[in-house]
Amino acid sequence: GENVEQHPSTLSVQEGDSAVIKCTYSDSASNYFPWYKQELGKGPQLIIDIRSNVGEKKDQRIAVTLNKTAKHFSLHITETQPEDSAVYFCAASDSGGYQKVTFGTGTKLQVIP
Amino acid sequence: DVKVTQSSRYLVKRTGEKVFLECVQDMDHENMFWYRQDPGLGLRLIYFSYDVKMKEKGDIPEGYSVSREKKERFSLILESASTNQTSMYLCASRLLREKSYEQYFGPGTRLTVT
Repeated sequence: GENVEQHPSTLSVQEGDSAVIKCTYSDSASNYFPWYKQELGKGPQLIIDIRSNVGEKKDQRIAVTLNKTAKHFSLHITETQPEDSAVYFCAASDSGGYQKVTFGTGTKLQVIP
Repeated sequence: DVKVTQSSRYLVKRTGEKVFLECVQDMDHENMFWYRQDPGLGLRLIYFSYDVKMKEKGDIPEGYSVSREKKERFSLILESASTNQTSMYLCASRLLREKSYEQYFGPGTRLTVT
């Protein structure tokens, strides 16, 4: 089955700096890669996603890049703000009928004011 | 807005008890999921349901069962709770449209088995 590895497990940045979280996946058939943000006491919420036919996607201060050859994808957050502090999960979804999603182990991001 | 609700935020049960965790979604989504979240292990899929009365095992189904008799409700059952099932349990739902595979999560149930 699919295996998703995520690094780092914790990340501290100064407000205004950039943050990068990296993930690798094992199944070359995976074709959908979402990122979820989990704030304290809440369930994860989708913040951005990318499909295998696209190399990069941006949404304001958030961007995701995908390298299918190397089987890795990354989340980039620019101009970080205290409200970006949360746990971030990457995930990969296979192309099978059930579109099963496998999550990474999570990155706890702390933005220091 | 999609709303996914879980029956309890916190639950304390004794070893050997039968435990029911309930999840309800209000957006007519076909797919529903149960995950457990543990520090350092991320979200691990226990079971999912593609549609009413359908269920598929996830990555860690041992010790759990599920029930989906109605489209909006997906129940996770711990037949005989054990201390290693102490965890945060998250329910999610998904509408499988061509351009979106977004999962909508509930707030979670923190289960403690003593």
